Amino acid sequence: TQLLEQSPQFLSIQEGENLTVYCNSSSVFSSLQWYRQEPGEGPVLLVTVVTGGEVKKLKRLTFQFGDARKDSSLHITAAQTGDTGLYLCAGGSVYNFNKFYFGSGTKLNVKP
Amino acid sequence: NAGVTQTPKFRVLKTGQSMTLLCAQDMNHEYMYWYRQDPGMGLRLIHYSVGEGTTAKGEVPDGYNVSRLKKQNFLLGLESAAPSQTSVYFCASILGGEVSEQFFGPGTRLTVL
Repeated sequence: TQLLEQSPQFLSIQEGENLTVYCNSSSVFSSLQWYRQEPGEGPVLLVTVVTGGEVKKLKRLTFQFGDARKDSSLHITAAQTGDTGLYLCAGGSVYNFNKFYFGSGTKLNVKP
Repeated sequence: NAGVTQTPKFRVLKTGQSMTLLCAQDMNHEYMYWYRQDPGMGLRLIHYSVGEGTTAKGEVPDGYNVSRLKKQNFLLGLESAAPSQTSVYFCASILGGEVSEQFFGPGTRLTVL
């Protein structure tokens, strides 16, 4: 059983389109992280959100943490081919040995 | 800084064979983790360590053992490999305290025949 459910599992869009990826759980997390993973490499951290309702922006990427700290979303504006990759959310706590539980991932393909 | 390194990068085993995966970090991080990644499953925590000489079980520890004799190294052992252990294995480390960013190694692709 996945503690974190991500949707959609796969997304194929044209360059310039907008998209949103969702990460949902029935559990409360003290922090929620988003990672991007390229084929053959380990995940790389994009952002950490820790406050319910928090919104963080990283250039064309906007991350939101739900008010109840159970869900999160990643929105990409005007997607580029360089955004192609596997996006993973992970929920955890610095007060629980920094153990993080990962969602199953969203595989994004941005076509030129 | 090399960050987090893993050896080997690839390995093929026969059922019943044993092997050890090595993870090394040069960032003086306290916490280290071993995950496995399978298609459609995301990353699942196998074992973790909160400091030198400590280890603890994660979500899927069966069939694996670990040791952290030195702060910079975290070893993952398979005593008797099974086909169900075919996976990509990732090691990660975290500084600790209020900093929770995980730094991942490049992964080890293991096939058990």
